Amino acid sequence: KQEVTQIPAALSVPEGENLVLNCSFTDSAIYNLQWFRQDPGKGLTSLLLIQSSQREQTSGRLNASLDKSSGRSTLYIAASQPGDSATYLCAVSGSGYALNFGKGTSLLVTP
Amino acid sequence: DVKVTQSSRYLVKRTGEKVFLECVQDMDHENMFWYRQDPGLGLRLIYFSYDVKMKEKGDIPEGYSVSREKKERFSLILESASTNQTSMYLCASSLATGERQPQHFGDGTRLSIL
Repeated sequence: KQEVTQIPAALSVPEGENLVLNCSFTDSAIYNLQWFRQDPGKGLTSLLLIQSSQREQTSGRLNASLDKSSGRSTLYIAASQPGDSATYLCAVSGSGYALNFGKGTSLLVTP
Repeated sequence: DVKVTQSSRYLVKRTGEKVFLECVQDMDHENMFWYRQDPGLGLRLIYFSYDVKMKEKGDIPEGYSVSREKKERFSLILESASTNQTSMYLCASSLATGERQPQHFGDGTRLSIL
């Protein structure tokens, strides 16, 4: 069974810092990996999706990389802002239809 | 933009009641999903549907059923609600193509069973 782990579980940084969130998965036979953002009490907002044939995807200040063979992905956030404060979830799509989620990294960016 | 709408943001029901959670998407997606999210356990799949009237059990289907009579609507049914079904319920949808497409989520329904 696919296990997805996110480290760290929580992170607090001052505004303006660049930061990296980590995601690892145990089974490298994936179709894609998706990064989400979740604000308190809200649903999930899709940030980036990386297909298994791709190495990275970029959207604005966000960059996600994928190393399928080592079972790792990173989400890089440049020049962090207080509005980036949220929980970030990583999810992988394997042989079934469903996504397997990590438990998330709770990010706090302080002014 | 894809819009996934869940009918209620907050819902309070009593033990033993039959509860319906509704989800509608406006992008003609074939796949629809119901997850529940609990602290410390993360998101877990309850059921998904890949076509009208088609459904598959997820990781935790016990105590739940689903209905998909129309492509845009996917309902989650708690046959006889129990307190351990108090949770955040999230609906998602995705397009079915040769390449896996992203899943798009609704805002969630926070359900409390008293």
